[in-house]
Parts: sequence; structure tokens; C-alpha cells
Amino acid sequence: GNSVTQMEGPVTLSEEAFLTINCTYTATGYPSLFWYVQYPGEGLQLLLKATKADDKGSNKGFEATYRKETTSFHLEKGSVQVSDSAVYFCALIDRGSTLGRLYFGRGTQLTVWP
Amino acid sequence: GAGVSQSPSNKVTEKGKDVELRCDPISGHTALYWYRQSLGQGLEFLIYFQGNSAPDKSGLPSDRFSAERTGGSVSTLTIQRTQQEDSAVYLCASSFFGGAGSSDTQYFGPGTRLTVL
Repeated sequence: GNSVTQMEGPVTLSEEAFLTINCTYTATGYPSLFWYVQYPGEGLQLLLKATKADDKGSNKGFEATYRKETTSFHLEKGSVQVSDSAVYFCALIDRGSTLGRLYFGRGTQLTVWP
Repeated sequence: GAGVSQSPSNKVTEKGKDVELRCDPISGHTALYWYRQSLGQGLEFLIYFQGNSAPDKSGLPSDRFSAERTGGSVSTLTIQRTQQEDSAVYLCASSFFGGAGSSDTQYFGPGTRLTVL
């Protein structure tokens, strides 16, 4: 089946620290991979995506590389800011299926202190 | 419109009452999804509409939940005889999926926070 596992939170960092949030997946087909972000009191926003192996998605200083050999899509940022405090969700869509639903990880709460 | 909109933003109801939640997808998007976000369960898929095809209802938690999509656009999620465990944020998303120029990216609305007393 399809599933996403991401690291448990919460993650607490100081401003300008390096961030990694691990995400691994299981998919029956060939998935597209996503990171969504939810800022306090707001809805889900697409942060970045990748659709094939070795693709790198990037946005707002965040990056994630689609690693088929390790079935991973880890989120990284070199220098976090207080404004990055949010909940981050890793997700996949199985493009081999006609059903386009997202499979989400449990979410990782990130808090960045000044 | 510019994005996915949902109404109401907040709904407080009494146990046993019926509620209707509305979603307006991005204009031209062919696919519409409902998800539920709760503290204990994370993000759960509920139902998926794609064009004129029969919806995928596999995520609906009980027969008290139903949804329809009229004219291929607006969708209404109905919960009958609400229970306290139905309290959650209900999220709607849409995408242009399944045809030329399609993308599997889903765009989410702000959600409806449902509280069942």
C-alpha cells in the first residue's frame, strides 16, 4: 500500500540553525512527493514537490530530493528563521493509480527561537 | 476565484444535529477532495470527486457522512447526527488532474473548524 512516515516532533531550533525533517515513503506505484506547510491558524500550503527520481524541489530556502533508492524525501533548510515555525507535512500521490488522493505523514511541529 | 474557499470558517453544533460544510474549488479544477484534520488522527482522506466519475468514498468514516458535488464545481459535505468525535477541521482541496496540462498538486482551502458539543 501507500504510506508516509516522517520524524516525530516537536523540533526546536535556534534561528540560523540547520534543519532536517526526515520523510520516507512506501508506494505501490510511482509517486509524486510533496511537502506541505501549515502556519499557525492557517490552512495547508504547498511548500515544494518532486515528481521523479533525483528531482529536487525547492522553495523559500527549503529543499528536498526525491531518492528512489532509499524511498526518502527529506526536507532541509540551511538557516531557519523564526517565521519558519509551523507544522510540516510530507505527502505522496500514487500516480500509478486513478485515485489522486494525498497520503500524509503525521506532521512535524517546528519551533524556531530567536 | 483565486483560491479554494470554504464556509463556514467555524461551526459549533450540538450532538445529534446535522451540519453542512461547503467548498468552492478553484475555477476550472476538475478534481475535488475532502480531508479531515484532528489531533489524534492527523490528516485523513474522506472523499474524492473527479469530473463526472463516481466519487471515491472509501475514506468516509461512517454512513452519517455524505458529500455531493453539483455541476462539477461546488461541493457540500454533510454530517448527520453529529457526534463529539466528529469535531475536527474539515479541509477541502482541488486540482486540475487527469487531462492535458494536468497537475497532481492539490490546493487547499482554509478549512472549517467543526465543534460538536
